[in-house]
Amino acid sequence: AQSVTQLGSHVSVSEGALVLLRCNYSSSVPPYLFWYVQYPNQGLQLLLKYTTGATLVKGINGFEAEFKKSETSFHLTKPSAHMSDAAEYFCAVSDQIKAAGNKLTFGGGTRVLVKP
Amino acid sequence: SAVISQKPSRDICQRGTSLTIQCQVDSQVTMMFWYRQQPGQSLTLIATANQGSEATYESGFVIDKFPISRPNLTFSTLTVSNMSPEDSSIYLCSVPLRGGGTFFGQGTRLTVV
Repeated sequence: AQSVTQLGSHVSVSEGALVLLRCNYSSSVPPYLFWYVQYPNQGLQLLLKYTTGATLVKGINGFEAEFKKSETSFHLTKPSAHMSDAAEYFCAVSDQIKAAGNKLTFGGGTRVLVKP
Repeated sequence: SAVISQKPSRDICQRGTSLTIQCQVDSQVTMMFWYRQQPGQSLTLIATANQGSEATYESGFVIDKFPISRPNLTFSTLTVSNMSPEDSSIYLCSVPLRGGGTFFGQGTRLTVV
């Protein structure tokens, strides 16, 4: 079974400050890892994903994440927060072996508040 | 990425009634997924809708409560049956992304009163 833990259900950052959202996973097989963003009253949008290859993954809107197998982590960062980054962020994992099925297990989500 | 049209976008329903949610994709896909997002919660997979076969339900979800149809490779429906206030959630359909991950529709926001 897989699981995802996001540390901190709420994060508050100042505009222009670093955004760091933590995600740890457990998986018995090599994982595929994802970050999704959900803006108020909208569906989920894929920010970035790690499948294979380079462990530092760049996504949309200036976000990036690094897969660290030894730490079973996939933390999301953005160097400088913008007001438009206020949203809820979800980390998710799927089986690499069963990737064709693309069944995702989600973390609990982290709501980001950006202060002017 | 695909274009997913989900209907209705929102609804308010009386307890004891049923609601059928439609999901239309602009391309043929082998699998479609239905997720539930309860208020203030994360997403939980309800079932995988396979064309030409019965849907595969996750632990805690049963066909009698959430019957699913998948008549062709671009369309699926999820019915929430005999609703109670605890069924108030956002229901989302999704399709696989090439290379991993899944693409979500905008969701159906259901309120049961």
